Amino acid sequence: DIQMTQSPSSLSASVGDRVTITCRASQSISSYLNWYQQKPGKAPKVLIYAASSLQSGVPSRFSGSGSGTDFTLTISSLQPEDFATYYCQQSYSTPATFGPGTKVDIK
Amino acid sequence: EVQLLESGGGLVQPGGSLRLSCAASGVTFNSYAMSWVRQAPGKGLEWVSAISGSGDSTHYADSVKGRFTISRDNSKNTLYLQMNSLRAEDTAVYYCVKAQRGWYRFDYWGQGTLVTVSS
Repeated sequence: DIQMTQSPSSLSASVGDRVTITCRASQSISSYLNWYQQKPGKAPKVLIYAASSLQSGVPSRFSGSGSGTDFTLTISSLQPEDFATYYCQQSYSTPATFGPGTKVDIK
Repeated sequence: EVQLLESGGGLVQPGGSLRLSCAASGVTFNSYAMSWVRQAPGKGLEWVSAISGSGDSTHYADSVKGRFTISRDNSKNTLYLQMNSLRAEDTAVYYCVKAQRGWYRFDYWGQGTLVTVSS
């Protein structure tokens, strides 16, 4: 199975900050990497697919990059509605696996 | 608009069974692979099982293999998860999830249904 790790596990930031979350796969997954946002009590919502493609309807302040084993999710200017937990997920092989999550809260 | 509505969750004793359903609307259901993903209380996301659009191919996480069965009825636009020999560690919110492309590029998620395994 492909193991996914994320760093940091949590971070505190202010509105307007630039935020970067890193995801690493235990083996190469090409660009088969997706990012999700989850708010408490809600289902996850896809932000980025195929490492760098913005899902329709997602604000352009979200961006993704990377390939192979190392990936990054960047929020260019954090907004109040962005405080949530973020998960990466590989869609390269079975079983699909998720990172442990990064919780972004208010500083 | 795509909507996925899960049902069938509840409280069940260890060793018991439960069947989850997911009714899909706003989508050509038989064109897409579907998965179940679960989330234990306060924990992260865990993929459980997937089924192809036609229903002739399935995959399972090792943690549920031999106990859970995924199926679909494309005439009813409905996905199922039959869960047998339930354990305390199966306690979670179960999400029905549609793949945008391939098996695991997920785009739409249901609201989830809570399964609690406890005596």
